[in-house]
Amino acid sequence: EAGVAQSPRYKIIEKRQSVAFWCNPISGHATLYWYQQILGQGPKLLIQFQNNGVVDDSQLPKDRFSAERLKGVDSTLKIQPAKLEDSAVYLCASSLRGRLNSPLHFGNGTRLTVT
Amino acid sequence: SQQGEEDPQALSIQEGENATMNCSYKTSINNLQWYRQNSGRGLVHLILIRSNEREKHSGRLRVTLDTSKKSSSWLITASRAADTASYFCAEGQGGSEKLVFGKGTKLTVNP
Repeated sequence: EAGVAQSPRYKIIEKRQSVAFWCNPISGHATLYWYQQILGQGPKLLIQFQNNGVVDDSQLPKDRFSAERLKGVDSTLKIQPAKLEDSAVYLCASSLRGRLNSPLHFGNGTRLTVT
Repeated sequence: SQQGEEDPQALSIQEGENATMNCSYKTSINNLQWYRQNSGRGLVHLILIRSNEREKHSGRLRVTLDTSKKSSSWLITASRAADTASYFCAEGQGGSEKLVFGKGTKLTVNP
């Protein structure tokens, strides 16, 4: 099966600019996650979708971050305006079911550098 | 922070040796999962152990879980240079249904 696809692979922007990341999950996976991974740390959940509805966005900085999942398939994550501390790898993951016993499948991530 | 912690943060061994790392967590869990991450890549799921299980094996990998101590250990036998990667434990938190990752252990296997 094809894996989770993410683009772009790398992005460099200046602070206060905006940026968007795209994710295409594995076909048939109902649950989609966006994680932020700062260098040297573990991934931190930003938002979780079940189909096209938001299940958990408690750690999403909503003043600058937004995400949507169109038609319950692809998803975009946007940052506007970006800050220096947003420099990180943004990982998209999907799972077959929303229940915890379903392992996550990750894309290779988008490495964002904010200068 | 609800984030669990792996110990050690970094581990360097020779090819053929066994490697062990530990994960401590803070909340009640539904399960505990282990993931691997190669440099510049996404995470890959290795194994899942449920809260009512005490030990699980997958190939050269053995994972144990002690819910009374809120800890899990990970052992890989006969290590290979290709095992070089970062390894993360992730708590499947029963109450919130979140999967919370630890900070990871960086394993280097020298040929």
